[in-house]
Amino acid sequence: DSGVTQTPKHLITATGQRVTLRCSPRSGDLSVYWYQQSLDQGLQFLIQYYNGEERAKGNILERFSAQQFPDLHSELNLSSLELGDSALYFCASSVMRENTEAFFGQGTRLTVV
Amino acid sequence: AQTVTQSQPEMSVQEAETVTLSCTYDTSENNYYLFWYKQPPSRQMILVIRQEAYKQQNATENRFSVNFQKAAKSFSLKISDSQLGDTAMYFCAFMRHNNNDMRFGAGTRLTVKP
Repeated sequence: DSGVTQTPKHLITATGQRVTLRCSPRSGDLSVYWYQQSLDQGLQFLIQYYNGEERAKGNILERFSAQQFPDLHSELNLSSLELGDSALYFCASSVMRENTEAFFGQGTRLTVV
Repeated sequence: AQTVTQSQPEMSVQEAETVTLSCTYDTSENNYYLFWYKQPPSRQMILVIRQEAYKQQNATENRFSVNFQKAAKSFSLKISDSQLGDTAMYFCAFMRHNNNDMRFGAGTRLTVKP
Protein backbone atom coordinates (compact mmCIF):
# COMPACT_ATOMS: atom_id res chain seq x y z
CA ASP A 1 0.00 0.00 0.00
CA SER A 2 1.55 3.29 -1.17
CA GLY A 3 -0.49 5.46 1.19
CA VAL A 4 -2.09 7.34 -1.72
CA THR A 5 -5.84 6.84 -1.85
CA GLN A 6 -7.94 7.32 -4.93
CA THR A 7 -11.71 7.20 -5.11
CA PRO A 8 -13.68 5.82 -6.74
CA LYS A 9 -11.86 2.76 -8.03
CA HIS A 10 -14.23 2.37 -10.96
CA LEU A 11 -16.55 4.80 -12.68
CA ILE A 12 -18.89 4.31 -15.61
CA THR A 13 -20.56 7.32 -17.14
CA ALA A 14 -22.11 8.51 -20.37
CA THR A 15 -20.69 10.80 -23.01
CA GLY A 16 -21.22 14.48 -22.30
CA GLN A 17 -21.23 13.99 -18.54
CA ARG A 18 -18.91 15.40 -15.91
CA VAL A 19 -17.09 13.42 -13.22
CA THR A 20 -14.79 14.18 -10.31
CA LEU A 21 -11.93 11.94 -9.27
CA ARG A 22 -10.50 12.31 -5.81
CA CYS A 23 -7.01 11.76 -4.46
CA SER A 24 -5.70 11.79 -0.91
CA PRO A 25 -1.90 12.00 -0.86
CA ARG A 26 0.38 10.28 1.61
CA SER A 27 0.58 11.97 4.96
CA GLY A 28 3.08 14.82 4.75
CA ASP A 29 3.28 14.92 0.96
CA LEU A 30 2.75 18.38 -0.52
CA SER A 31 2.81 17.51 -4.22
CA VAL A 32 0.05 15.76 -6.10
CA TYR A 33 0.38 14.61 -9.70
CA TRP A 34 -2.30 13.36 -12.07
CA TYR A 35 -1.66 10.94 -14.93
CA GLN A 36 -3.80 9.34 -17.59
CA GLN A 37 -3.11 5.83 -18.92
CA SER A 38 -5.04 4.89 -22.05
CA LEU A 39 -4.59 2.32 -24.78
CA ASP A 40 -4.24 5.04 -27.44
CA GLN A 41 -2.01 7.55 -25.68
CA GLY A 42 -0.16 5.39 -23.18
CA LEU A 43 0.88 7.04 -19.93
CA GLN A 44 0.67 10.82 -19.87
CA PHE A 45 1.37 13.38 -17.20
CA LEU A 46 -1.58 15.75 -16.83
CA ILE A 47 -0.90 18.23 -14.05
CA GLN A 48 0.86 18.81 -10.73
CA TYR A 49 -0.12 20.79 -7.67
CA TYR A 50 2.26 21.71 -4.91
CA ASN A 51 0.87 22.96 -1.61
CA GLY A 52 -2.30 24.21 -3.23
CA GLU A 53 -0.80 25.83 -6.30
CA GLU A 54 -0.46 24.56 -9.84
CA ARG A 55 3.19 23.79 -10.46
CA ALA A 56 3.44 21.93 -13.76
CA LYS A 57 1.16 21.17 -16.65
CA GLY A 58 1.37 18.38 -19.19
CA ASN A 59 -1.05 17.14 -21.81
CA ILE A 60 -4.19 18.15 -20.00
CA LEU A 61 -7.22 18.95 -22.12
CA GLU A 62 -9.14 22.17 -21.58
CA ARG A 63 -12.18 20.06 -20.61
CA PHE A 64 -10.17 18.77 -17.65
CA SER A 65 -9.27 20.74 -14.56
CA ALA A 66 -7.83 20.01 -11.16
CA GLN A 67 -7.35 21.62 -7.81
CA GLN A 68 -5.66 20.95 -4.52
CA PHE A 69 -7.45 21.85 -1.33
CA PRO A 70 -6.03 23.22 1.95
CA ASP A 71 -6.02 19.71 3.44
CA LEU A 72 -3.88 18.74 0.40
CA HIS A 73 -6.32 16.33 -1.17
CA SER A 74 -6.84 16.88 -4.86
CA GLU A 75 -9.66 16.51 -7.33
CA LEU A 76 -9.52 16.02 -11.07
CA ASN A 77 -12.63 17.21 -12.88
CA LEU A 78 -13.39 15.81 -16.30
CA SER A 79 -16.23 17.39 -18.26
CA SER A 80 -17.99 16.94 -21.61
CA LEU A 81 -16.71 13.40 -21.54
CA GLU A 82 -15.94 11.59 -24.77
CA LEU A 83 -15.42 7.91 -25.47
CA GLY A 84 -11.71 8.57 -25.84
CA ASP A 85 -11.50 9.77 -22.25
CA SER A 86 -11.93 6.19 -21.08
CA ALA A 87 -8.71 5.44 -19.23
CA LEU A 88 -7.02 4.69 -15.97
CA TYR A 89 -6.38 7.92 -14.07
CA PHE A 90 -3.57 7.84 -11.55
CA CYS A 91 -2.75 10.17 -8.76
CA ALA A 92 0.71 10.26 -7.22
CA SER A 93 2.19 12.24 -4.39
CA SER A 94 5.60 13.29 -3.17
CA VAL A 95 7.09 15.37 -0.42
CA MET A 96 9.04 17.66 -2.67
CA ARG A 97 8.21 19.98 -5.56
CA GLU A 98 10.23 17.82 -7.94
CA ASN A 99 8.86 14.44 -8.97
CA THR A 100 11.89 12.31 -8.27
CA GLU A 101 10.22 9.84 -5.94
CA ALA A 102 6.46 9.89 -6.18
CA PHE A 103 4.16 7.22 -4.81
CA PHE A 104 1.20 6.21 -6.92
CA GLY A 105 -2.33 5.36 -5.98
CA GLN A 106 -4.11 2.38 -7.49
CA GLY A 107 -5.94 4.51 -10.03
CA THR A 108 -9.52 5.18 -11.02
CA ARG A 109 -10.77 3.23 -14.02
CA LEU A 110 -13.07 5.53 -15.99
CA THR A 111 -15.29 4.06 -18.67
CA VAL A 112 -17.28 6.43 -20.88
CA VAL A 113 -20.14 4.77 -22.74
CA ALA B 1 10.25 17.62 -27.46
CA GLN B 2 11.45 14.73 -25.41
CA THR B 3 10.53 11.23 -26.54
CA VAL B 4 11.11 7.89 -24.91
CA THR B 5 11.30 4.68 -26.92
CA GLN B 6 11.02 1.16 -25.64
CA SER B 7 11.59 -1.12 -28.60
CA GLN B 8 10.64 -4.39 -26.92
CA PRO B 9 6.86 -4.69 -26.46
CA GLU B 10 7.20 -8.08 -24.78
CA MET B 11 9.94 -10.14 -23.20
CA SER B 12 10.16 -13.29 -21.18
CA VAL B 13 12.79 -14.78 -18.92
CA GLN B 14 13.21 -17.91 -16.86
CA GLU B 15 13.10 -17.59 -13.12
CA ALA B 16 16.57 -16.90 -11.63
CA GLU B 17 17.92 -15.72 -15.00
CA THR B 18 18.95 -12.20 -15.97
CA VAL B 19 17.05 -9.99 -18.38
CA THR B 20 17.75 -6.55 -19.85
CA LEU B 21 15.06 -4.13 -20.96
CA SER B 22 15.99 -1.40 -23.43
CA CYS B 23 15.11 2.26 -23.47
CA THR B 24 16.31 5.14 -25.59
CA TYR B 25 15.33 8.76 -25.33
CA ASP B 26 15.74 11.93 -27.27
CA THR B 27 16.53 15.27 -25.68
CA SER B 28 18.70 18.31 -26.12
CA GLU B 29 18.75 18.89 -22.36
CA ASN B 30 21.82 18.23 -20.24
CA ASN B 31 20.18 18.03 -16.85
CA TYR B 32 17.47 15.44 -16.42
CA TYR B 33 16.29 12.30 -14.66
CA LEU B 34 15.53 8.86 -15.99
CA PHE B 35 13.28 6.33 -14.31
CA TRP B 36 12.09 2.78 -14.55
CA TYR B 37 8.61 2.08 -13.24
CA LYS B 38 6.98 -1.30 -12.76
CA GLN B 39 3.24 -1.88 -13.19
CA PRO B 40 2.21 -5.34 -11.98
CA PRO B 41 -1.24 -6.81 -12.67
CA SER B 42 -2.52 -4.92 -9.63
CA ARG B 43 -1.93 -1.88 -11.94
CA GLN B 44 -0.23 0.25 -9.29
CA MET B 45 2.85 2.07 -10.59
CA ILE B 46 5.98 1.41 -8.54
CA LEU B 47 9.27 3.24 -8.91
CA VAL B 48 12.03 0.69 -9.51
CA ILE B 49 15.08 2.86 -10.01
CA ARG B 50 16.11 6.44 -10.77
CA GLN B 51 19.17 7.88 -12.49
CA GLU B 52 20.28 11.50 -12.46
CA ALA B 53 21.93 12.48 -15.72
CA TYR B 54 24.82 14.32 -14.08
CA LYS B 55 25.86 11.18 -12.22
CA GLN B 56 28.17 8.97 -14.23
CA GLN B 57 27.77 6.01 -11.89
CA ASN B 58 24.97 3.65 -12.83
CA ALA B 59 22.18 3.38 -10.27
CA THR B 60 21.59 0.07 -8.51
CA GLU B 61 18.76 -1.12 -6.29
CA ASN B 62 19.25 -4.69 -5.08
CA ARG B 63 18.61 -6.95 -8.12
CA PHE B 64 17.89 -3.99 -10.40
CA SER B 65 20.61 -2.00 -12.10
CA VAL B 66 20.81 0.34 -15.07
CA ASN B 67 23.26 0.89 -17.87
CA PHE B 68 23.14 4.63 -18.51
CA GLN B 69 24.90 5.74 -21.68
CA LYS B 70 24.40 9.51 -21.84
CA ALA B 71 26.06 10.11 -25.19
CA ALA B 72 24.05 7.32 -26.79
CA LYS B 73 20.89 8.41 -24.93
CA SER B 74 20.34 4.90 -23.76
CA PHE B 75 19.01 3.72 -20.40
CA SER B 76 18.59 -0.04 -20.05
CA LEU B 77 17.34 -1.93 -17.01
CA LYS B 78 18.96 -5.17 -15.91
CA ILE B 79 17.04 -7.49 -13.63
CA SER B 80 19.19 -10.17 -12.05
CA ASP B 81 17.95 -13.39 -10.46
CA SER B 82 14.47 -12.81 -11.90
CA GLN B 83 11.58 -13.71 -9.65
CA LEU B 84 7.96 -14.54 -10.47
CA GLY B 85 6.95 -11.30 -8.77
CA ASP B 86 8.91 -9.35 -11.37
CA THR B 87 6.22 -10.17 -13.93
CA ALA B 88 4.83 -6.76 -14.89
CA MET B 89 4.81 -3.95 -17.41
CA TYR B 90 7.95 -1.87 -17.18
CA PHE B 91 7.95 1.76 -18.22
CA CYS B 92 10.96 3.90 -18.91
CA ALA B 93 10.44 7.60 -18.18
CA PHE B 94 12.28 10.88 -18.73
CA MET B 95 11.95 14.14 -16.86
CA ARG B 96 13.82 17.40 -17.26
CA HIS B 97 15.36 18.86 -14.14
CA ASN B 98 12.93 21.24 -12.42
CA ASN B 99 10.14 20.28 -14.81
CA ASN B 100 7.71 17.64 -13.66
CA ASP B 101 6.31 16.86 -17.12
CA MET B 102 7.38 13.21 -17.04
CA ARG B 103 7.42 11.44 -20.41
CA PHE B 104 6.91 7.69 -20.58
CA GLY B 105 7.76 5.04 -23.09
CA ALA B 106 5.14 2.61 -24.37
CA GLY B 107 6.23 -0.09 -21.95
CA THR B 108 7.68 -3.60 -22.07
CA ARG B 109 5.61 -6.49 -20.81
CA LEU B 110 7.92 -8.85 -18.93
CA THR B 111 6.90 -12.38 -18.05
CA VAL B 112 9.01 -14.43 -15.66
CA LYS B 113 8.48 -18.13 -16.26
CA PRO B 114 8.89 -20.77 -13.56
